[in-house]
Formats: sequence, structure tokens, C-alpha cells
Amino acid sequence: AAGVIQSPRHLIKEKRETATLKCYPIPRHDTVYWYQQGPGQDPQFLISFYEKMQSDKGSIPDRFSAQQFSDYHSELNMSSLELGDSALYFCASSLGLSGRNTEAFFGQGTRLTVV
Amino acid sequence: AQKVTQAQTEISVVEKEDVTLDCVYETRDTTYYLFWYKQPPSGELVFLIRRNSFDEQNEISGRYSWNFQKSTSSFNFTITASQVVDSAVYFCALSEANTGNQFYFGTGTSLTVIP
Repeated sequence: AAGVIQSPRHLIKEKRETATLKCYPIPRHDTVYWYQQGPGQDPQFLISFYEKMQSDKGSIPDRFSAQQFSDYHSELNMSSLELGDSALYFCASSLGLSGRNTEAFFGQGTRLTVV
Repeated sequence: AQKVTQAQTEISVVEKEDVTLDCVYETRDTTYYLFWYKQPPSGELVFLIRRNSFDEQNEISGRYSWNFQKSTSSFNFTITASQVVDSAVYFCALSEANTGNQFYFGTGTSLTVIP
């Protein structure tokens, strides 16, 4: 069965550069979530989209932005990268809002290293 | 405040031993959902189980079992006859119906199964 696809799997960027992470949800899923997991940390919620509209916002820095496109894929844009942005970034998708009689499926993550 | 507490940071067991991972949660919602995810060294988050707040029935799936007790706000996870492949970080997570867009993860328990 198709799963959540994230690209790239690994990314190395220098400080102050920009990065774009992509997420392709499971077919027919209309909700996408982004999480950031720092080294040795638990995943922290960044932002979510439902039907191409932002539905919830967590601890996402102002330097980051995200959107969900008409085909339901989502992109997380990160600018002025800092060393502390080095983390594993997860995307998850669900049909409807997670927890409401549905569940979210996570992608394999994008490991971003800022040097 | 942390909504999900996993007090055990690291656990080591010898292969074939049983091990229980503790999870205590905090919520004011009457409708909520609890999850367990496994994160092996490769980094992906693997879904193990989802439980809603109205279903306190314990569940067994092969060597895995879960004990949900609303009276103590706990959702503990037991692995019977542990195997080396069980070595991973295990996360307990909470999703609330009124804020159903995101997971609140615990800080994870790192399990090492020694051959």
C-alpha cells in the first residue's frame, strides 16, 4: 500500500541557506502535519493543513512557512537556516483530522543537517 | 506542561525477558486518543496501536499487549519474550478530540534488548 512519501530523505545545508522539504500524503488523505524531532527529542508539532487550508499551528518558527497544494502535497520552506534547525522532519497524513476516528500515518522523515 | 509522560528514559533487558513501558497522560478532554509508536534506529515512526478514551479494553497483538486504565491515566505497553529486533525508541502519544490536529508525544523510552 502507498505510504507517505517525503523528499529528500537527507539534506545538508549551510547556515543562512534555505531548504524546501516535500511531503506527498497517502492517496485520498486530505490532512497533512509537519513535526520536528531534534536529536534525542520527541517529535514537536509544527503545523497542519486540512483541505489546503492551515488548520493548526504549533511551534513553527517565523523563518519557516508551509503550504498544501491542490494535489494535497505539502512543502515546508525553511529560510535563514540555523544550526539548531538540524533535525528529523516528519510529515504525516490522515483522512480528516487526526484523532477523530482516523489515524495519522507518518513518512520516513527528512534528516536535515545544517553546517 | 508535558501532556504525556514516559518516566523511563532507557531500559535494557535480556532477550526473552518481558518488559513494560509506562505512559501517563494528562487531558481535560473526555474524548481523546492514545497511541504508541516505535522508532527503530533507521528513524521512521512505526504505528503500533491507537486507543480511544471510551474503550478501556486491553489489547493483545502477538507479543505486544496494552493496558489502558483511565482511573490512573495510564496506557502501558508490554512486550513479552523480547527480541533484539524490539530494540528501538518507543513513543506514547495523545490526541485530543477538541484539538485533534496534533499529537502530543512523550519523551520516549529507549529500549535495548541484549542478546
